[in-house]
Order: sequence, then C-alpha cells, then structure tokens
Amino acid sequence: DAGVIQSPRHEVTEMGQEVTLRCKPISGHNSLFWYRQTMMRGLELLIYFNNNVPIDDSGMPEDRFSAKMPNASFSTLKIQPSEPRDSAVYFCASSLSSGAGYTFGSGTRLTVV
Amino acid sequence: AQSVAQPEDQVNVAEGNPLTVKCTYSVSGNPYLFWYVQYPNRGLQFLLKYITGDNLVKGSYGFEAEFNKSQTSFHLKKPSALVSDSALYFCAVRDTSTDTGFQKLVFGTGTRLLVSP
Repeated sequence: DAGVIQSPRHEVTEMGQEVTLRCKPISGHNSLFWYRQTMMRGLELLIYFNNNVPIDDSGMPEDRFSAKMPNASFSTLKIQPSEPRDSAVYFCASSLSSGAGYTFGSGTRLTVV
Repeated sequence: AQSVAQPEDQVNVAEGNPLTVKCTYSVSGNPYLFWYVQYPNRGLQFLLKYITGDNLVKGSYGFEAEFNKSQTSFHLKKPSALVSDSALYFCAVRDTSTDTGFQKLVFGTGTRLLVSP
C-alpha cells in the first residue's frame, strides 16, 4: 500500500486565492482526519470523518475552511479566501478502527503570501 | 475530557545513554495510548501503542513505553540513544469511555529529542 497520499506537497499562493488540498486515505480505512501544524499552535485537529460522514468539525478555524469526503478514497480541504495566517503544514491521516492508530500522509506545506 | 501532557519541550541526551520522554494522560475510562515520531519535513509515524495487557510495550526502532495506571503515565524509553533518534515525539490518547461509537486521538504538544554525538 502506498500509504496516505497528499497533494500537493508544497503550495505557495497569494492572499485571497482559493486553495484546495487533497488526500487519498489508505484503502479500507474508514476514518479520515485533517490536521494543521504550526510552530505556535502545534498539531491541531481540524475535522474528521467516519465512513465519509463529518463527525466533528469544531476544529475548523473559520468559515473560510471547508472539507469534503465525497467517497471513501478521497477528501479535500479548501480554504477560500486564503490568508497569510493560514500558512502551515496540513496533514491528512486515516485509520481503520477505534483501536488502531493513525497513518499520516507526508503533509502539504502551505505558504500564503 | 481526555488529554495528554508532555511536560518537556525538549530532551537532550548523549548518544549511547538511555532516554526517557515523558507523557501523562487524563481520561475517564480505559485509555488507548500511542507514541508517534516526526522527522523533519515528514508526517507523524507510529511507534507503539498500549491497548491492554503487558504494561511494557515494545515498538519500532528499539523504543518501548511503560504504562503506569496509578501514575497515569506512559513514558517512552530507549536503553541506548542514537543521533538518528533526534526528532519530535508525540504522545496521544484515545478515551474508550465515550458513547459516540468512534473516539478520536488527542495528541500532546510534542517533545523534541536531541541526541548529541
């Protein structure tokens, strides 16, 4: 298995632009998580899905952030409009069951200038 | 609410010496406990987990962790540190007492381990 695949690896965009981050979880995993990591705030859970249904989006910072999981093999995290304070590394992770750990992707480093 | 605490932002150890990275947890039920490692410019990688059974759990790269219920701790240990162990280490807990049918992991703030040659 190729693991959790995130794209792009790096994204540089101008303030105000729309940004879409993509994630392909491990085949067969039924839970998917989006995290944001910054030096100041550490690792923050933004939203997670179970069987493609959003379970908890209380970590989404603002209405500018939205996430979808149209099927079991794909999820997106969208920021519209983007702001410089959104600059961070965004990780996607997937999990098979409540007793299992998470498998993380390599992350997308977002820079908003 | 479930939580984990990693009291040390950074741990410094000389190569060859034993290392310990501390973690304490707070849950209302029985905990599932995890350790992850993050190397520079990489995602978090699973090291080991405690679900039930033996309190001493062995994991990847020679790491082990000891579950101590009375002290609510799950410290990560290694008998002999390597320079290549230098990384960011995260402790995480899942509370099994909730009724949601699915429980998320809660991560600590991370501890940077620096192993000097």
